[in-house]
Amino acid sequence: AQSVTQPDIHITVSEGASLELRCNYSYGATPYLFWYVQSPGQGLQLLLKYFSGDTLVQGIKGFEAEFKRSQSSFNLRKPSVHWSDAAEYFCAVGSSLSSNTGKLIFGQGTTLQVKP
Amino acid sequence: DTAVSQTPKYLVTQMGNDKSIKCEQNLGHDTMYWYKQDSKKFLKIMFSYNNKELIINETVPNRFSPKSPDKAHLNLHINSLELGDSAVYFCASSQDRGEQFFGPGTRLTVL
Repeated sequence: AQSVTQPDIHITVSEGASLELRCNYSYGATPYLFWYVQSPGQGLQLLLKYFSGDTLVQGIKGFEAEFKRSQSSFNLRKPSVHWSDAAEYFCAVGSSLSSNTGKLIFGQGTTLQVKP
Repeated sequence: DTAVSQTPKYLVTQMGNDKSIKCEQNLGHDTMYWYKQDSKKFLKIMFSYNNKELIINETVPNRFSPKSPDKAHLNLHINSLELGDSAVYFCASSQDRGEQFFGPGTRLTVL
């Protein structure tokens, strides 16, 4: 069965420090992979996505993620965190197959707290 | 212009009532979705419509009924509301089942 695991429920980093949020997935074929961010009381905003091609993808707000097929991972990184990055981060997996219904499986989310 | 909008933003109601949440997208997308986010922030898909045709119908109680009058709208009607229905409901849309754009959410509280 498809699944997404975000091992870190809560992460605290200092402003200006680097960040890596982990995401592992279980999927039978080549997946579509996404990272979304949810600020308090808001909807989800897409940070970046991987469909195919270059395994290092760049997103908005200075985020990037790397698809590692051998490790079934799609970790999110940012070299220098800003206080405004404090939010909930969700990794999600979708199907790349022609039978794709658009269904996304989400991880449990990682809460990022930024210390001044 | 708001891409995916939902109304209402907050909904407080009594057990047993029937309520509806409306969703509209102005992105010209062909697929729309409903997700439920529980109190632990876990997101799970409920339904999806592609060109007004139901294509995803997860194991959701049949008290929940989606309705898509046209490609730009997907409404969610809930009958006989229960305490466990309290959650945040998100609408989303996509084109060709690609990346999904989410609405701001509707926080439903059942008393």
